[in-house]
Amino acid sequence: AQSVAQPEDQVNVAEGNPLTVKCTYSVSGNPYLFWYVQYPNRGLQFLLKYITGDNLVKGSYGFEAEFNKSQTSFHLKKPSALVSDSALYFCAVRDYNTDKLIFGTGTRLQVFP
Amino acid sequence: EPEVTQTPSHQVTQMGQEVILRCVPISNHLYFYWYRQILGQKVEFLVSFYNNEISEKSEIFDDQFSVERPDGSNFTLKIRSTKLEDSAMYFCASHLGSGANVLTFGAGSRLTVL
Repeated sequence: AQSVAQPEDQVNVAEGNPLTVKCTYSVSGNPYLFWYVQYPNRGLQFLLKYITGDNLVKGSYGFEAEFNKSQTSFHLKKPSALVSDSALYFCAVRDYNTDKLIFGTGTRLQVFP
Repeated sequence: EPEVTQTPSHQVTQMGQEVILRCVPISNHLYFYWYRQILGQKVEFLVSFYNNEISEKSEIFDDQFSVERPDGSNFTLKIRSTKLEDSAMYFCASHLGSGANVLTFGAGSRLTVL
């Protein structure tokens, strides 16, 4: 079965510093991986996806993610964090058989001024 | 940009009452989903719907739940007799086709069962 794990419940970073939100996956075959962000009292917004090709994927709001097959990871990164990046971030994998997204438990990112 | 719209944004109901949550997916999308999230926790899959029938449902989606696409545009989730533990944010999502297509989520309907 496909699954993703987000080992950190919360990540704290100072504004202007680089940020990383971790995600590891477990799939059989090639993974379809996604990152979504949820701002307070809002729905889930798509940030980026990895399907195939370059291991570094660029997405919305300056975010990028690095696909690492040997480490089965898909960490979300941003070179310089903004206070407005503070939100809940979800990693997800697409289930091959059903197309549903399977989400991780989420990581709360807090960026301090 | 096309959106998935959900109504109501917030509903408060008494335990045992029926609730219908409504969604209008993006017009050319073919696959529809309901997810729920209990108070900022994990986003859990409930049900997927394609070609006017349920494709898959989770163990959460018991006999108290049903989905319908009554008129080709709306996609509804009905909870027949609500329980306290049904209190959650319910998200509707849709996408165009299988594979790498991105699920677009609505803003959610917050259900509070008293």
